Amino acid sequence: GAGVSQTPSNKVTEKGKYVELRCDPISGHTALYWYRQSLGQGPEFLIYFQGTGAADDSGLPNDRFFAVRPEGSVSTLKIQRTERGDSAVYLCASSLRMETSKFFGPGTRLTVL
Amino acid sequence: GENVEQHPSTLSVQEGDSAVIKCTYSDSASNYFPWYKQELGKGPQLIIDIRSNVGEKKDQRIAVTLNKTAKHFSLHITETQPEDSAVYFCAARTGGNMLTFGGGTRLMVKP
Repeated sequence: GAGVSQTPSNKVTEKGKYVELRCDPISGHTALYWYRQSLGQGPEFLIYFQGTGAADDSGLPNDRFFAVRPEGSVSTLKIQRTERGDSAVYLCASSLRMETSKFFGPGTRLTVL
Repeated sequence: GENVEQHPSTLSVQEGDSAVIKCTYSDSASNYFPWYKQELGKGPQLIIDIRSNVGEKKDQRIAVTLNKTAKHFSLHITETQPEDSAVYFCAARTGGNMLTFGGGTRLMVKP
């Protein structure tokens, strides 16, 4: 596709449930990033993939958060035992290579009731 | 780690006037500084970026300046238009390749 796509655009879940958020990067982009944006704030880094491997996961808040990119393209962010504090917009970005410009998708708005 | 401060948090200008948004960063190792525009309900859109070996970059009505000694960089928008109204974010990248974002500036351009 022309840009980064994310599904679903909105996700409402109950406290304690498991959710998966999907990101389709720009075709050919080797680097993929997940960020989280709370209302009125700038995006905060979660994890970055170079190819299939997580090159830096230092931004993941705790072990309830996990992300995979098994074939080096699509990535899934997984959140276990969701908490109300996990409510935010989850943004995905990709770049051609590690050092080149990063392009963001529209985000998934997660609401935990 | 890196810390990025952005000012002002809100900025209101008259159509046709210029707008300036300023950011400071803490890590002298940061070497890449992008600016993003975010409209309501959308993801951030890259509008311009500058690398640490350049002091200024311009693209039509948008320009960015970088002062490495003072560790600050600025976004300049000239001849503002109502469609420039959005939230603007600056960011800085250190060697770890992650971006650290400022808190954002809500720009309102009044027709």
